[in-house]
Amino acid sequence: AQSVTQLDSHVSVSEGTPVLLRCNYSSSYSPSLFWYVQHPNKGLQLLLKYTSAATLVKGINGFEAEFKKSETSFHLTKPSAHMSDAAEYFCVVSDWGGADGLTFGKGTHLIIQP
Amino acid sequence: DADVTQTPRNRITKTGKRIMLECSQTKGHDRMYWYRQDPGLGLRLIYYSFDVKDINKGEISDGYSVSRQAQAKFSLSLESAIPNQTALYFCATSSGDYGYTFGSGTRLTVV
Repeated sequence: AQSVTQLDSHVSVSEGTPVLLRCNYSSSYSPSLFWYVQHPNKGLQLLLKYTSAATLVKGINGFEAEFKKSETSFHLTKPSAHMSDAAEYFCVVSDWGGADGLTFGKGTHLIIQP
Repeated sequence: DADVTQTPRNRITKTGKRIMLECSQTKGHDRMYWYRQDPGLGLRLIYYSFDVKDINKGEISDGYSVSRQAQAKFSLSLESAIPNQTALYFCATSSGDYGYTFGSGTRLTVV
């Protein structure tokens, strides 16, 4: 069985400072990992995905994440926060190419202070 | 047109009523999914389907049923809606190679 834990329900940073959203996962197999973003009253947008290629994954809007098998982590980072980054972020794990669906974390609400 | 279309976008219904949420896709994907989103809980899988004859229960299928009318259509029904089914519902499709496409969601309120 697979599971994912987002370690912070809320993260607040100042505009222009780095962003770190933490995610740990559990998987019986070789997992695929994703980060999705949901802006207020919007649908889900894929930020990036890891599928057993390079462990450092670059996504859209300057975000990146590093897959660390030894730590079972897949933390999301961005060097400099922008006001438009304020949103809900979901870490997601899947086995077997996602055939049986995706397992979502509970989400991290990112707040950007001006 | 959107690749995955959900109707209605918003719906308010009364306790005990039957309601159907519809999803159609133009991606040509075989795999379709229904999720519900609750604040602080992320998205949870309700049902998924690999083709018209293959329907599978997800994590929280109780109180829901689905119908896969065609490769492109996957409907979710609440036979007798209850207030704790108030949530945001998402339909998704997958090509099987980690590529998921989500609809815009249906906001359902049961009063």
